[in-house]
Amino acid sequence: AQTVTQSQPEMSVQEAETVTLSCTYDTSESDYYLFWYKQPPSRQMILVIRQEAYKQQNATENRFSVNFQKAAKSFSLKISDSQLGDAAMYFCAYRTGNAGGTSYGKLTFGQGTILTVHP
Amino acid sequence: DAGVIQSPRHEVTEMGQEVTLRCKPISGHNSLFWYRQTMMRGLELLIYFNNNVPIDDSGMPEDRFSAKMPNASFSTLKIQPSEPRDSAVYFCASSQTSGGADEQFFGPGTRLTVL
Repeated sequence: AQTVTQSQPEMSVQEAETVTLSCTYDTSESDYYLFWYKQPPSRQMILVIRQEAYKQQNATENRFSVNFQKAAKSFSLKISDSQLGDAAMYFCAYRTGNAGGTSYGKLTFGQGTILTVHP
Repeated sequence: DAGVIQSPRHEVTEMGQEVTLRCKPISGHNSLFWYRQTMMRGLELLIYFNNNVPIDDSGMPEDRFSAKMPNASFSTLKIQPSEPRDSAVYFCASSQTSGGADEQFFGPGTRLTVL
């Protein structure tokens, strides 16, 4: 079974600075997808960014970018120019690319990292 | 679109009572997911449906839990009888397809407290 590990329970950053959240995963598959979700205090889960494992280019979405290291099974999230609204719990998630299995739709989440942004 | 709608937003009940959580997915989405979030276990998938058919229910904790999707616009998650360890936030999510890079859109969650 796939596992996702977020080793940083909490992180903090100054407004306008850059912060990187770590995520590692364990899988024997070669085809899969990785996601970062944000959960603010409202508890609404919001997709931040996604990465297809077959793509070598790292995904970017405005101030959010990832460092995808497939061989190392690492998928870190970099937030540039941090804003107060970025304060939230961030979850890394894995989904298999094996369309033939019953777990095809399943997202496996890490334990989350609480990000605090200081003004 | 209104997004994924869940009801109730909060539920407080006593041990042994039946609890029914409801979800309306985004129109046009053919996959629906039920997740549970607790401090101890984090976010875990309970069950998901594709075209109203249950595909993976391996996450359903035990026979006290059941889920149905009678049509494309409605799903329920029922707990009978409820126990204090069922206290959690339950999320419903929907997506256009069941996998790949498709985004799962989450509802606001139902916070369940079982006394």
